[in-house]
Amino acid sequence: SQQGEEDPQALSIQEGENATMNCSYKTSINNLQWYRQNSGRGLVHLILIRSNEREKHSGRLRVTLDTSKKSSSLLITASRAADTASYFCATDANYGQNFVFGPGTRLSVLP
Amino acid sequence: KAGVTQTPRYLIKTRGQQVTLSCSPISGHRSVSWYQQTPGQGLQFLFEYFSETQRNKGNFPGRFSGRQFSNSRSEMNVSTLELGDSALYLCASSLGAGGNTIYFGEGSWLTVV
Repeated sequence: SQQGEEDPQALSIQEGENATMNCSYKTSINNLQWYRQNSGRGLVHLILIRSNEREKHSGRLRVTLDTSKKSSSLLITASRAADTASYFCATDANYGQNFVFGPGTRLSVLP
Repeated sequence: KAGVTQTPRYLIKTRGQQVTLSCSPISGHRSVSWYQQTPGQGLQFLFEYFSETQRNKGNFPGRFSGRQFSNSRSEMNVSTLELGDSALYLCASSLGAGGNTIYFGEGSWLTVV
């Protein structure tokens, strides 16, 4: 079964609005990473948050991690049409490189 | 610094054939992992190589195999192709230690007809 599950599966917003995506996972983790994928392309790394961290920022991105609830959220502020993509969370439970990805959230930002 | 390079980008094969995909990691990265992405199953981990040794393996049949060379370049091979093997195959590289970010290539689109 999937370790990470993103929610919602799809999200449509207007340019300028904020977008929030959530990720839940089942077992304890060491790290959680968020990736973006444009249609048919490779994944682009956004943010890595370690299990002992609660929040990280990168530009318009803000990631939170709640290990007690086994969940993370990705907030994109002031969204742009170029943010249209699928967003995935990936968890690393064994300090290995075999990350487990959720099914992703498809974000559409309408101009 | 050049990113992860995968070749070929697109290929079409016939059922029963075999295919080899290639991945050149970012310079200095010793870990290469492979993922299969399909609309139905999402992103699934295939295997990971570190210093020419398979370090982790996902839940795929033995038809899927891989190897890593001394220069960290990696290949994956799928034998006796099935229609269900049609997918985007993604390679990712990292320094290899726990907690490292993994960087993905653009992928190889495989269509089996």
